[in-house]
This record gives sequence, structure tokens and C-alpha cells, in this order.
Amino acid sequence: QSVLTQPPSASGTPGQRVTISCSGSSSNIGSNTVNWYQQVPGTAPKLLIYSNNQRPSGVPDRFSGSKSGTSASLAISGLQSEDEADYYCAAWDDSRSGWVFGGGTKLTVL
Amino acid sequence: VQLVESGGGLVKPGGSLRLSCAASGFTFSSYTMNWVRQAPGKGLEWVSSISGSSSYIYYADSVKGRFTISRDNAKNSLYLQMNSLRAEDTAVYYCARGSSSWLEYWGQGTLVTVSS
Repeated sequence: QSVLTQPPSASGTPGQRVTISCSGSSSNIGSNTVNWYQQVPGTAPKLLIYSNNQRPSGVPDRFSGSKSGTSASLAISGLQSEDEADYYCAAWDDSRSGWVFGGGTKLTVL
Repeated sequence: VQLVESGGGLVKPGGSLRLSCAASGFTFSSYTMNWVRQAPGKGLEWVSSISGSSSYIYYADSVKGRFTISRDNAKNSLYLQMNSLRAEDTAVYYCARGSSSWLEYWGQGTLVTVSS
């Protein structure tokens, strides 16, 4: 049971816009910034969004993040086949003094 | 930035293993380092964090008292000593560099299998 809650799956067709939600609590998302990671099966996670809505260099602007209260979301516009991967949200948890992750959302491009 | 984990392998329940993470391409001592694991077919689970000077160390409840994180800044290396291993510790273990409030760079991971 993950501390942050994500839908287990999401899907869309090429060109569509897809959003993935992440729900937490006051000790994690409510008081700290949210980060998103992309993981292609068999490879290491890659930082996709940091500080709620910032993109590291090299990440396309098709990816965007937002946060409100104790929830956050990742939006992917102009969906491409290469976006098919697992997506994880994460935040520091003040009560646990550690990082907490969502259970991951498997994105399928139909 | 490069992070290379090593030390994984097959170990019996109750056994011990020491993982290493060799870092390069940045000033190692300036960054908090982390271990994150992923059980087969499962999601990411944070294991432990250590600040640049080793002043601050944190553990997940699931490994507290069994795992010990450490670092050698002179050798640009991060370690995870794992004792009293259990089947549920079977996972790919990643080291990750912390930057402010995110885990910015990840190694390729090393697989630990706990089985008799």
C-alpha cells in the first residue's frame, strides 16, 4: 500500500492529452513539492518533473505538472508512442522523514 | 553525472550483503545520497538517505535496524550494508543523488535476491 495514491493505469491514443493524478496528505504533498519520474520497463527511473511543475533540461514541454493542496497531477499532451512507460509521483514526507512514492501508473498508448 | 551500483547477488534469508555506489561527474560530498528499491513487478520504495557530511541519516521503517547507509567522500562512494535479509528485501536497488527536494540522477541498479 503506497503512501501516495495513483491510478494503476491510464491510456490514450497518439496526439491525445492524458492526465495522471497523485493524492497524498498534509505531511507529504500538502507541505512539500511533488516530483514525477518516468520509468521505461527494464530501465532506471528518470526525473520528469520537479518542484511541482519544473521540467529538467531535455524533457519536452508536452509534459507538465501541477499541485493543489494535497494532490498533484501530471499532464502529457500530444501523446506519443515513446511515452508508454510507468509514471511515479513522489514527495518528502515530514512525518516519516523520508521519501514516499505513488504506486505507479502504467501508461499505454493505444 | 554517473552512478554505478554493485554488490548485488543471491543471498540466503538471514544473510548479509553490502551494496556500493560509485559516483562521478560531480562534487560527491555536496549532495545527499539515497537508496531506493524496486521489488520485481512492483513500484518504487525509498530505503535510506544520508546527507553530504553524514550528519543526517534516515531509514524506512521496513529496513530500520537491519540496514546501514554510509558514505566515503574521499572515495566518492555510497554504501548500504544489509543484514538479516528477508525474502521481501528482494529488489533492484538504485542509488540516487538528491538535489534540493528531488532525486535528480539515478544509477542503473543492482539486483538483490534473497532466497534459500
